[in-house]
Amino acid sequence: GAVVSQHPSWVICKSGTSVKIECRSLDFQATTMFWYRQFPKQSLMLMATSNEGSKATYEQGVEKDKFLINHASLTLSTLTVTSAHPEDSSFYICSASFGSNEKLFFGSGTQLSVL
Amino acid sequence: SQQGEEDPQALSIQEGENATMNCSYKTSINNLQWYRQNSGRGLVHLILIRSNEREKHSGRLRVTLDTSKKSSSLLITASRAADTASYFCATPPSPDTGNQFYFGTGTSLTVIP
Repeated sequence: GAVVSQHPSWVICKSGTSVKIECRSLDFQATTMFWYRQFPKQSLMLMATSNEGSKATYEQGVEKDKFLINHASLTLSTLTVTSAHPEDSSFYICSASFGSNEKLFFGSGTQLSVL
Repeated sequence: SQQGEEDPQALSIQEGENATMNCSYKTSINNLQWYRQNSGRGLVHLILIRSNEREKHSGRLRVTLDTSKKSSSLLITASRAADTASYFCATPPSPDTGNQFYFGTGTSLTVIP
């Protein structure tokens, strides 16, 4: 199956710093990449959808300037949490689809802890 | 991004027993998918059932789909401790839902050795 690599797996940072999370499709070109946020024991919350070469589409309530998404190539999308604060602490997961967009391939997730 | 409800929210069974979890959704679909998530990890695609199918098998997994009731079930037979995970149903993008996948609320399964 298609592989999506997400790095880093775990980040601990001080409040006010920015954190960049990378999501790469290793053996396919991703038509669309999705970024999710997940709180403990809850389902996934879609943050934004990104297509290569165009601006990301953010879900209602997600701050564009807070969560910067760049999808510079068909194999790489990045999420930057700018000026992170403790309330941004969460599990962030990327996923990618290609072709007929029938199913998603997920990265392994990034646990962000902001002190 | 949730359009589905799953029940039960949590399920605890003994190894060897069968586990059944249910999913209900709201809009018309072309297919419905089930994903598994181990704690602290991303989701893994398990099985896809199309809207014109009523039942599908994959190994110890059996999925049913009732489009008239907008519901699906996932049955895991002869469960193993390694099946312990959260399970989510999901519906793919459609004209009704736009470009996003919708995930259910998830069922947390614990299989006791």
